[in-house]
Amino acid sequence: DAKTTQPPSMDCAEGRAANLPCNHSTISGNEYVYWYRQIHSQGPQYIIHGLKNNETNEMASLIITEDRKSSTLILPHATLRDTAVYYCIVISGATNKLIFGTGTLLAVQP
Amino acid sequence: NAGVTQTPKFRILKIGQSMTLQCAQDMNHNYMYWYRQDPGMGLKLIYYSVGAGITDKGEVPNGYNVSRSTTEDFPLRLELAAPSQTSVYFCASSWGGAHSYEQYFGPGTRLTVT
Repeated sequence: DAKTTQPPSMDCAEGRAANLPCNHSTISGNEYVYWYRQIHSQGPQYIIHGLKNNETNEMASLIITEDRKSSTLILPHATLRDTAVYYCIVISGATNKLIFGTGTLLAVQP
Repeated sequence: NAGVTQTPKFRILKIGQSMTLQCAQDMNHNYMYWYRQDPGMGLKLIYYSVGAGITDKGEVPNGYNVSRSTTEDFPLRLELAAPSQTSVYFCASSWGGAHSYEQYFGPGTRLTVT
């Protein structure tokens, strides 16, 4: 599975959009991009995933570049409850294993 | 639905003791997983199961055992506890197949071995 690179931390003002980047330059054609988040001391929570098209659900939007080498998770109106570690994971259908890196700590400021 | 439940929430073990961490899910998911998370680190997969009677090793299986006799339950056994097993343990489940990676996590068990 392709390796991902995320900034260790980011700040965002409450009510503004939070844009979390992820680099996955070695991604291959059958690998999906998944995003999870982990609020302090809780189990991780699935957010969204995509292959090559942009995706949106009730929690977030996922923008994947045309060459698929990077993606951005967008929380459109961040709240204090969105403060968490966000994990970008690239995975293929050939394995059942999620590999978590150290993620990005998003701090939403009032 | 309760989702994924784990017991106990906290436990302190002495070196060499054994214990079983319990995990149950009521979503009729086929796949279940055990992860551990050390301070400041991401989760690492210990064992997983794709259905009752079927288990397989993850990244860090040494020192642990699992069994899956029912769809609902997936206990994790620690034999001869060591300080290196001090961690937070998370259980997760998913439908499997194309939805394997939409995993639902339990609240975790915080284990200290002294």
